[in-house]
Order: sequence, then structure tokens, then C-alpha cells
Amino acid sequence: EVQLQQSGPELQRPGASVKLSCKASGYTFTEYYMYWVKQRPKQGLELIGRIDPEDCSTDYVEKFKNKATLTADTSSNTAYMQLSSLTSEDTATYFCARSEFGSHYFDYWGQGVMVTVSS
Amino acid sequence: DIQMTQSPSSLSVSLGDNVTFTCEASENIYGFLAWYQQKLGKAPKLLIYGATNLEDGVPTRFSGSGSWTNYSLTISSLEPEDIATYYCQNNHVYPDTFGAGTKLELK
Repeated sequence: EVQLQQSGPELQRPGASVKLSCKASGYTFTEYYMYWVKQRPKQGLELIGRIDPEDCSTDYVEKFKNKATLTADTSSNTAYMQLSSLTSEDTATYFCARSEFGSHYFDYWGQGVMVTVSS
Repeated sequence: DIQMTQSPSSLSVSLGDNVTFTCEASENIYGFLAWYQQKLGKAPKLLIYGATNLEDGVPTRFSGSGSWTNYSLTISSLEPEDIATYYCQNNHVYPDTFGAGTKLELK
């Protein structure tokens, strides 16, 4: 059974950084992109970027290039996203989702992790 | 980036209704379109890919159609569990942009 298990909720101060994890199981980790998606409260879905766990190459949506850093650890089948210089605008639920190379659609999603930025 | 425009943004529906909503891409996406369902507090769920292909396990009351820049999702005979927000997504080129969603609400 394919599962993407994300880390727990975070409460962070403005200016801090946070590293979120997404542990994959039930499939070959290196055969799928891992994407990250942001959803602000009561808002739509916003793509952040993706990582190819095979070679750790990354693609970012322009507005997140200086905000998010995507990494992957094939020894633990875990993808990570670090968010830096947190502001209230980063308060959101963050999802990881896998996509087969070439398909682009997201067939499995993590449960999401809520990040709250507040002083 | 390809822009995805969904309409309407919200729709008031009754159980048993046949419901259709649309998604327009800013350029031809050659049928590379996915639809997702998101219920409150949950992760999105893939319903349809390739504009018309039903994901395994998705009820057959869901159907997708369209080509070029214009696509639609139809729910036949709406069930209570279909009350959710629906998003389309460009799968033609990266970045895989989402529409803003159509939220179904019960009358």
C-alpha cells in the first residue's frame, strides 16, 4: 500500500526556519517525483516545486525559489522541505504528493502538515 | 506558466442533481488535465487524469471531458459524500498549475 506519511504540526516564530518531512512507503521511492503543495487557510492549492529522488534534482515555482528547499534521502525514503525566514504568509497546510515521471498528475498525497507562524 | 480558470467558484446543489463545472487553460494542454476532490481538512484525492480517465476506485458517476483549452467535470446524481471542493490541474507542462477550485454547497 502506497503511503506518504508527513511530520506533525509546527508552531514557529517569524524569522525562523522549519523542515518538514514526507516518508514514502509501498513503492520505489526513486521512480516518482515528489511534489510539495501549499494551501493557505480556506484557499486553493499552490504548487511549490518538485524533487527527483533519483538524483535530487529540483524544480521550484519562481515565487518559492528563495523560500523552500527540497531534499530527499533515499536511504530512508523520505523527502524534506525546508522553509526559511518564516512570515505569517507561510502559515498554511503543506502537502507532499507523488507523481510518476511523465504523468504530472498526483496519485497519492500525504495527509498534510499545518505550519503556523506566530509570535 | 499556464493559467487554469475554474467556474463557477461555488455552486449550490441538491442531492441527486447532475452537476457540471468547467476549467479553462490559458493555452492548449492537449488533454493533460487532472481533477481532484478535496473534502474539508483532508488531502486532495485524484479523480480523473488525462481529462477523461477515471482513477481506480472512483465512482462511475464522475466523468471528465474536454480538449484543447476547455474541460469539464460532471457528477451524475450527486451523493452526500460528493460535497467538496474540486480542483483542475494542468499536467501538460511544469509547473503543474491548479485552478482556484469549485466549491459545492448544499442548498
